[in-house]
Amino acid sequence: ELKVEQNPLFLSMQEGKNYTIYCNYSTTSDRLYWYRQDPGKSLESLFVLLSNGAVKQEGRLMASLDTKARLSTLHITAAVHDLSATYFCAVTMRFGAGTRLTVKP
Amino acid sequence: GAVVSQHPSRVICKSGTSVKIECRSLDFQATTMFWYRQFPKQSLMLMATSNEGSKATYEQGVEKDKFLINHASLTLSTLTVTSAHPEDSSFYICSADPQGVGGYTFGSGTRLTVV
Repeated sequence: ELKVEQNPLFLSMQEGKNYTIYCNYSTTSDRLYWYRQDPGKSLESLFVLLSNGAVKQEGRLMASLDTKARLSTLHITAAVHDLSATYFCAVTMRFGAGTRLTVKP
Repeated sequence: GAVVSQHPSRVICKSGTSVKIECRSLDFQATTMFWYRQFPKQSLMLMATSNEGSKATYEQGVEKDKFLINHASLTLSTLTVTSAHPEDSSFYICSADPQGVGGYTFGSGTRLTVV
C-alpha cells in the first residue's frame, strides 16, 4: 500500500527565514504534487513534478523530486506571512498528512 | 483555466436525511472525477473515483450504499450522502483532470454538517 509521509506536521517560522518541508513516499511513482490549502478553503495546485531531478519554482517556493530516494522537498525562501497555510504533498491520489505552516512577524 | 464547480458550498441537514453534492466541469469534459473527504485538521482521503457512464470505484472502507455516486454526463458527477449521521459531517471535495495528463483541478468543497 502506498504511504506518503510528510514532515514536519507543524512549522512555525519567522518572517525572512528559510525552511524545507519533506515528503517521502513508499512506492515508485512518476509524479508528485504539492498543494496549498487555506483554512476553510479547497486545494490550490502549486507544483506537479514529473521526473527525477525535476525542480520547479514559483515565487518563494521551490519544489524538487528525487524518485530514487522517493523524496520530494518544498523549500521556502525568506518566508512572508502570506505563505501561512497548510501544504500537502500527494502521490497519485494519496495525500500526506499536511504541514501547517505559520509565518510570524 | 479549467474550472470545477462544486455546489453547495455549505449544507446543514438533519440526521437521517440525504444530501446531494454536485461537481461540474465548466469548460472541459471529465470522464473521471474524484471525491475526497476531509475531517477537520486532517488530510484528504480519497473516497471514490467516479466514471462517466459506469459504476464508481470506491476505496476500501467506504460504504457504497451510503455514499452514492452518479456520473451521468461528461460534465457532472454527484455524491449523495444517504441517511446522514453526525459522523458524516465533513468537508467533501471533488476534483478532475482537465487535460487527462495528471494535472488536477479541485472544486471549492462542500462543508456538510449533520445535526
